[in-house]
Amino acid sequence: DAKTTQPNSMESNEEEPVHLPCNHSTISGTDYIHWYRQLPSQGPEYVIHGLTSNVNNRMASLAIAEDRKSSTLILHRATLRDAAVYYCILRGAGGTSYGKLTFGQGTILTVHP
Amino acid sequence: DAMVIQNPRYQVTQFGKPVTLSCSQTLNHNVMYWYQQKSSQAPKLLFHYYDKDFNNEADTPDNFQSRRPNTSFCFLDIRSPGLGDAAMYLCATSPRTDYYEQYFGPGTRLTVT
Repeated sequence: DAKTTQPNSMESNEEEPVHLPCNHSTISGTDYIHWYRQLPSQGPEYVIHGLTSNVNNRMASLAIAEDRKSSTLILHRATLRDAAVYYCILRGAGGTSYGKLTFGQGTILTVHP
Repeated sequence: DAMVIQNPRYQVTQFGKPVTLSCSQTLNHNVMYWYQQKSSQAPKLLFHYYDKDFNNEADTPDNFQSRRPNTSFCFLDIRSPGLGDAAMYLCATSPRTDYYEQYFGPGTRLTVT
């Protein structure tokens, strides 16, 4: 499985934007970039995914570099409820990988009031 | 609300005493996954079911088994728990293996004494 590299931790202030980076230099052409987050004492939660183009949804935006070797998850206005571990995951489109999620270590996001 | 339910949330077992964790879903999804998450680590896939077809990860210990008697329920059996099996066990579902999202339950935290 292609690997991702994320900073161990990041901090933000409430109501400020947060940019969470992810490097995936060995990404293959069929790998989708997925982001999940895990709040304390809960299971992971899907945030967003993309292939080549930038994506927006109600939770976040995903900016994907033109060469696809890196991406950035953007939380437009952080709240205390956004404090979580954020995982950037490369996910195959199917076949033998059956779309499995291989979690890396993730980024611990701390949000200050 | 449709959801993924895991019972119990906390389970204590003795070293070597078999234990079963359960997962149920009201989403009517075909795929069910079991992940193991040890303290301060990322979730790791143990196995998954596509309908009745069982798929084991290559590095999942033989000590771990699973049953899926019907679409709604899936069980994780640990035949002889060791201290190293203490972890959070997460169940997830998806309509199919190439669907973009996996839906996670809250997890069962297993303690081995």
